[in-house]
Amino acid sequence: SQKIEQNSEALNIQEGKTATLTCNYTNYSPAYLQWYRQDPGRGPVFLLLIRENEKEKRKERLKVTFDTTLKQSLFHITASQPADSATYLCALVSSGGYNKLIFGAGTRLAVHP
Amino acid sequence: DADVTQTPRNRITKTGKRIMLECSQTKGHDRMYWYRQDPGLGLRLIYYSFDVKDINKGEISDGYSVSRQAQAKFSLSLESAIPNQTALYFCATSDSARQGNQPQHFGDGTRLSIL
Repeated sequence: SQKIEQNSEALNIQEGKTATLTCNYTNYSPAYLQWYRQDPGRGPVFLLLIRENEKEKRKERLKVTFDTTLKQSLFHITASQPADSATYLCALVSSGGYNKLIFGAGTRLAVHP
Repeated sequence: DADVTQTPRNRITKTGKRIMLECSQTKGHDRMYWYRQDPGLGLRLIYYSFDVKDINKGEISDGYSVSRQAQAKFSLSLESAIPNQTALYFCATSDSARQGNQPQHFGDGTRLSIL
Protein backbone atom coordinates (compact mmCIF):
# COMPACT_ATOMS: atom_id res chain seq x y z
CA SER A 1 0.00 0.00 0.00
CA GLN A 2 1.05 3.60 -0.50
CA LYS A 3 3.01 4.90 2.44
CA ILE A 4 4.45 8.29 3.36
CA GLU A 5 7.04 8.84 6.05
CA GLN A 6 7.99 12.09 7.70
CA ASN A 7 10.39 12.44 10.59
CA SER A 8 8.30 12.14 13.73
CA GLU A 9 10.90 13.87 15.85
CA ALA A 10 10.63 17.62 16.15
CA LEU A 11 13.20 19.69 14.32
CA ASN A 12 14.73 22.43 16.44
CA ILE A 13 16.77 25.13 14.72
CA GLN A 14 18.11 28.58 15.41
CA GLU A 15 16.51 31.66 13.89
CA GLY A 16 18.13 32.61 10.61
CA LYS A 17 19.19 29.07 9.71
CA THR A 18 17.72 26.93 6.96
CA ALA A 19 15.23 24.28 8.04
CA THR A 20 15.06 21.11 5.94
CA LEU A 21 12.20 18.65 6.32
CA THR A 22 12.03 15.26 4.60
CA CYS A 23 9.15 13.33 3.08
CA ASN A 24 9.76 9.78 1.83
CA TYR A 25 7.21 7.61 0.06
CA THR A 26 7.03 3.97 -1.01
CA ASN A 27 4.99 1.72 -3.28
CA TYR A 28 3.81 4.55 -5.42
CA SER A 29 4.84 7.08 -8.06
CA PRO A 30 2.71 10.17 -7.51
CA ALA A 31 2.24 12.76 -10.21
CA TYR A 32 2.02 15.56 -7.64
CA LEU A 33 3.19 16.26 -4.15
CA GLN A 34 1.88 19.00 -1.87
CA TRP A 35 3.13 20.60 1.34
CA TYR A 36 0.90 22.06 4.07
CA ARG A 37 1.48 23.96 7.28
CA GLN A 38 -0.59 23.26 10.39
CA ASP A 39 -0.65 25.42 13.50
CA PRO A 40 -2.01 24.13 16.84
CA GLY A 41 -5.81 24.20 16.89
CA ARG A 42 -6.04 25.05 13.18
CA GLY A 43 -6.56 23.18 9.96
CA PRO A 44 -3.73 22.58 7.48
CA VAL A 45 -2.95 25.41 5.09
CA PHE A 46 -1.64 24.73 1.58
CA LEU A 47 1.87 25.99 0.85
CA LEU A 48 3.30 24.52 -2.33
CA LEU A 49 2.64 21.93 -5.03
CA ILE A 50 5.30 20.27 -7.16
CA ARG A 51 4.78 18.04 -10.18
CA GLU A 52 6.77 14.91 -10.96
CA ASN A 53 8.47 16.58 -13.91
CA GLU A 54 9.61 19.52 -11.75
CA LYS A 55 12.80 19.09 -9.78
CA GLU A 56 12.38 22.21 -7.69
CA LYS A 57 9.76 24.80 -6.81
CA ARG A 58 10.22 28.06 -4.92
CA LYS A 59 7.93 30.52 -3.18
CA GLU A 60 9.51 33.36 -1.25
CA ARG A 61 11.62 31.68 1.49
CA LEU A 62 10.24 28.22 0.73
CA LYS A 63 11.78 25.65 -1.60
CA VAL A 64 10.56 22.16 -2.39
CA THR A 65 12.43 19.47 -4.30
CA PHE A 66 11.01 16.26 -5.72
CA ASP A 67 13.32 13.33 -6.49
CA THR A 68 11.28 10.56 -8.11
CA THR A 69 14.31 8.24 -8.19
CA LEU A 70 14.88 8.49 -4.45
CA LYS A 71 11.11 8.75 -3.84
CA GLN A 72 11.73 11.76 -1.67
CA SER A 73 10.74 15.39 -1.31
CA LEU A 74 12.67 17.95 0.70
CA PHE A 75 11.07 21.11 2.07
CA HIS A 76 13.39 24.00 2.89
CA ILE A 77 12.69 27.22 4.77
CA THR A 78 15.55 29.68 4.41
CA ALA A 79 16.25 32.47 6.91
CA SER A 80 13.86 30.79 9.34
CA GLN A 81 11.89 32.85 11.84
CA PRO A 82 10.11 31.91 15.08
CA ALA A 83 6.83 32.52 13.20
CA ASP A 84 7.73 29.54 10.98
CA SER A 85 7.28 27.22 13.98
CA ALA A 86 4.48 24.79 13.09
CA THR A 87 3.88 21.25 11.90
CA TYR A 88 4.52 20.66 8.21
CA LEU A 89 2.65 17.94 6.32
CA CYS A 90 3.45 16.44 2.97
CA ALA A 91 0.72 14.88 0.87
CA LEU A 92 0.69 12.80 -2.29
CA VAL A 93 -2.10 12.58 -4.81
CA SER A 94 -3.21 8.97 -4.53
CA SER A 95 -3.20 6.55 -7.41
CA GLY A 96 -6.97 6.88 -7.48
CA GLY A 97 -6.53 10.43 -8.67
CA TYR A 98 -9.39 12.91 -8.42
CA ASN A 99 -7.39 14.92 -5.90
CA LYS A 100 -7.53 12.26 -3.20
CA LEU A 101 -4.57 13.00 -0.99
CA ILE A 102 -2.55 10.71 1.25
CA PHE A 103 -0.97 12.67 4.10
CA GLY A 104 2.15 12.07 6.09
CA ALA A 105 1.94 12.43 9.87
CA GLY A 106 3.91 15.68 9.76
CA THR A 107 7.09 17.04 11.26
CA ARG A 108 7.00 19.71 13.95
CA LEU A 109 9.44 22.56 13.42
CA ALA A 110 10.51 24.82 16.29
CA VAL A 111 12.57 27.92 15.42
CA HIS A 112 14.29 29.44 18.42
CA PRO A 113 15.29 33.11 18.70
CA ASP B 1 -15.29 35.01 7.79
CA ALA B 2 -13.71 31.61 7.26
CA ASP B 3 -14.13 30.00 3.84
CA VAL B 4 -14.66 26.55 5.38
CA THR B 5 -16.63 26.52 8.62
CA GLN B 6 -17.01 23.53 10.92
CA THR B 7 -19.46 23.22 13.77
CA PRO B 8 -19.18 22.49 16.59
CA ARG B 9 -15.52 23.24 17.35
CA ASN B 10 -15.54 21.01 20.38
CA ARG B 11 -17.85 18.22 21.48
CA ILE B 12 -17.82 15.82 24.38
CA THR B 13 -20.34 13.02 24.33
CA LYS B 14 -20.99 9.52 25.60
CA THR B 15 -20.60 6.13 24.00
CA GLY B 16 -23.63 5.12 21.94
CA LYS B 17 -24.82 8.64 21.17
CA ARG B 18 -25.51 9.84 17.64
CA ILE B 19 -23.39 12.81 16.63
CA MET B 20 -23.42 15.06 13.60
CA LEU B 21 -20.55 17.30 12.57
CA GLU B 22 -21.33 19.98 10.05
CA CYS B 23 -19.27 21.70 7.39
CA SER B 24 -20.18 24.61 5.17
CA GLN B 25 -18.09 26.43 2.60
CA THR B 26 -18.23 29.70 0.71
CA LYS B 27 -15.50 28.88 -1.80
CA GLY B 28 -17.88 27.53 -4.44
CA HIS B 29 -15.93 24.26 -4.68
CA ASP B 30 -17.55 21.08 -5.92
CA ARG B 31 -15.38 18.68 -3.96
CA MET B 32 -15.61 18.18 -0.21
CA TYR B 33 -13.82 15.79 2.13
CA TRP B 34 -13.92 14.58 5.72
CA TYR B 35 -10.73 13.53 7.51
CA ARG B 36 -9.83 12.48 11.00
CA GLN B 37 -6.47 13.26 12.57
CA ASP B 38 -4.91 11.21 15.32
CA PRO B 39 -1.52 11.83 16.95
CA GLY B 40 1.25 10.17 14.98
CA LEU B 41 -1.08 8.98 12.23
CA GLY B 42 -1.70 12.05 10.18
CA LEU B 43 -4.89 12.83 8.33
CA ARG B 44 -6.97 9.88 7.14
CA LEU B 45 -9.80 10.20 4.64
CA ILE B 46 -13.24 9.13 5.86
CA TYR B 47 -15.56 10.14 2.99
CA TYR B 48 -15.43 12.43 -0.01
CA SER B 49 -17.92 13.94 -2.41
CA PHE B 50 -17.29 15.32 -5.88
CA ASP B 51 -20.71 16.89 -6.25
CA VAL B 52 -24.13 16.84 -4.60
CA LYS B 53 -25.04 13.47 -6.11
CA ASP B 54 -21.70 11.81 -5.51
CA ILE B 55 -20.56 10.19 -2.24
CA ASN B 56 -17.52 7.93 -1.90
CA LYS B 57 -15.97 5.97 0.93
CA GLY B 58 -12.45 6.82 1.97
CA GLU B 59 -9.84 4.85 3.83
CA ILE B 60 -11.73 4.55 7.15
CA SER B 61 -15.47 4.88 6.53
CA ASP B 62 -16.72 2.16 8.92
CA GLY B 63 -18.82 3.65 11.71
CA TYR B 64 -19.41 6.90 9.80
CA SER B 65 -21.94 8.22 7.31
CA VAL B 66 -22.19 11.48 5.39
CA SER B 67 -24.76 13.66 3.71
CA ARG B 68 -24.18 16.26 1.00
CA GLN B 69 -27.19 18.50 1.47
CA ALA B 70 -26.06 21.13 -1.03
CA GLN B 71 -22.92 22.13 -2.88
CA ALA B 72 -21.88 24.15 0.15
CA LYS B 73 -22.76 21.69 2.93
CA PHE B 74 -21.32 18.32 3.84
CA SER B 75 -22.10 16.68 7.19
CA LEU B 76 -20.50 13.73 8.93
CA SER B 77 -22.47 11.48 11.29
CA LEU B 78 -21.43 8.94 13.87
CA GLU B 79 -24.53 6.80 14.32
CA SER B 80 -23.39 5.21 17.59
CA ALA B 81 -20.21 6.79 18.86
CA ILE B 82 -17.46 4.70 20.41
CA PRO B 83 -14.38 5.86 22.34
CA ASN B 84 -11.89 5.04 19.56
CA GLN B 85 -13.63 7.65 17.41
CA THR B 86 -12.18 10.29 19.71
CA ALA B 87 -10.11 12.44 17.36
CA LEU B 88 -9.78 15.75 15.57
CA TYR B 89 -12.06 15.91 12.53
CA PHE B 90 -11.43 18.14 9.53
CA CYS B 91 -13.54 19.12 6.56
CA ALA B 92 -11.83 20.22 3.37
CA THR B 93 -12.80 21.45 -0.09
CA SER B 94 -11.09 21.62 -3.46
CA ASP B 95 -11.80 22.94 -6.91
CA SER B 96 -12.55 20.47 -9.67
CA ALA B 97 -11.16 22.62 -12.45
CA ARG B 98 -7.95 20.64 -12.85
CA GLN B 99 -7.84 17.08 -11.56
CA GLY B 100 -5.03 15.86 -9.41
CA ASN B 101 -3.27 19.07 -8.58
CA GLN B 102 -5.67 21.24 -6.67
CA PRO B 103 -4.85 22.32 -3.13
CA GLN B 104 -7.32 21.42 -0.44
CA HIS B 105 -8.77 24.09 1.85
CA PHE B 106 -9.43 23.02 5.42
CA GLY B 107 -11.69 24.15 8.19
CA ASP B 108 -10.30 24.55 11.70
CA GLY B 109 -11.57 21.20 12.86
CA THR B 110 -13.89 19.68 15.44
CA ARG B 111 -12.31 18.16 18.52
CA LEU B 112 -14.51 15.21 19.44
CA SER B 113 -14.20 13.30 22.71
CA ILE B 114 -16.27 10.19 23.35
CA LEU B 115 -16.41 8.98 26.92
